[in-house]
Amino acid sequence: DADVTQTPRNRITKTGKRIMLECSQTKGHDRMYWYRQDPGLGLRLIYYSFDVKDINKGEISDGYSVSRQAQAKFSLSLESAIPNQTALYFCATSDLVGTEAFFGQGTRLTVV
Amino acid sequence: EDQVTQSPEALRLQEGESSSLNCSYTVSGLRGLFWYRQDPGKGPEFLFTLYSAGEEKEKERLKATLTKKESFLHITAPKPEDSATYLCAVQGETGGFKTIFGAGTRLFVKA
Repeated sequence: DADVTQTPRNRITKTGKRIMLECSQTKGHDRMYWYRQDPGLGLRLIYYSFDVKDINKGEISDGYSVSRQAQAKFSLSLESAIPNQTALYFCATSDLVGTEAFFGQGTRLTVV
Repeated sequence: EDQVTQSPEALRLQEGESSSLNCSYTVSGLRGLFWYRQDPGKGPEFLFTLYSAGEEKEKERLKATLTKKESFLHITAPKPEDSATYLCAVQGETGGFKTIFGAGTRLFVKA
């Protein structure tokens, strides 16, 4: 089984719908991240959490919200999806400051 | 504000033709510079971490180096299986040590 698991892997939704992307990890890491990837723009940070009680906005948090339900679970929600939120979304975890991140396989989201 | 710029955007090489990818960065209080490899439709996979200027790390045909403003990923005698997008990222003291990524360099190696 993968260390960082994202569900669903693919999703098509309509404009205005609420959608939740889920991430779970077995690495035992406290730090979790949600990134968005668009062609030519690299990975942009949406939200990050350094422990269960800590939630921080990243570069592009508008239109998104998150929930850290447990050390192992970090969910990303789009309250009212819009077409320009069509992208590839990645969840990642890391251990200590200065250590590498481990990524999930990604969720391809299409908003029509 | 922390920034990462990678060049070139895309690089096409013949098998065996060595080259380098560039990552220019500005960061407050560098805690780590990271290189990742990403294959189409997959999550990035970790390659190297560099912590201070002058540091170098190697893995097979890849060698990463670091100065105070740039990092290079040198690819020696590449093979077609090295084709991928290579991402550079920095982690600094701003915003609680969050990690910022560059846009990546897409590498194509032709047999």
